[in-house]
Amino acid sequence: EAQVTQNPRYLITVTGKKLTVTCSQNMNHEYMSWYRQDPGLGLRQIYYSMNVEVTDKGDVPEGYKVSRKEKRNFPLILESPSPNQTSLYFCASSPWYSNQPQHFGDGTRLSIL
Amino acid sequence: RKEVEQDPGPFNVPEGATVAFNCTYSNSASQSFFWYRQDCRKEPKLLMSVYSSGNEDGRFTAQLNRASQYISLLIRDSKLSDSATYLCVVVTDTGRRALTFGSGTRLQVQP
Repeated sequence: EAQVTQNPRYLITVTGKKLTVTCSQNMNHEYMSWYRQDPGLGLRQIYYSMNVEVTDKGDVPEGYKVSRKEKRNFPLILESPSPNQTSLYFCASSPWYSNQPQHFGDGTRLSIL
Repeated sequence: RKEVEQDPGPFNVPEGATVAFNCTYSNSASQSFFWYRQDCRKEPKLLMSVYSSGNEDGRFTAQLNRASQYISLLIRDSKLSDSATYLCVVVTDTGRRALTFGSGTRLQVQP
């Protein structure tokens, strides 16, 4: 089954404790992206990757890092989480050509205390 | 002005009704357009792509008006299961492939 898998689905942690949210897709997609969703602000792009070893900033990259060492994986790293990073996070993937829709993972709800 | 604007609703309609949502976008160079559906803060799921000539998928019809920069979604014969938030999505930066989301329109279909 074609899917985008995120882990963990839920996490409550404390300020400053490094965390990683994993994202994996089994569709051999070149493009992967991270979004966060906040009430009243909708979904906003954090980082994206056009292919292995090619990553770039989205609209709200501050406080986040990503890596793309393998085509299927695109982890999101919060080196020193802060309460304003409490949000619902979605990973998405698609083929590289622009008219194809993106497929989303189930989401990760992060609470930073 | 927001890049993609939608009426947040909620639209409360009876079962069987026809309902239409509009969405406007500000970037005339936008390349691709989609409607996504999102249930109760779950992941957005693609409902349908929107093509220049208009397209239909069962009870759903999507249209694009590039001159006026708006997209529409028509739902006929509404079902209870159609209750959700409908997100208008525009690809505004082909290089970055970022999806720009509208804030969503909430639909509640009532028995």
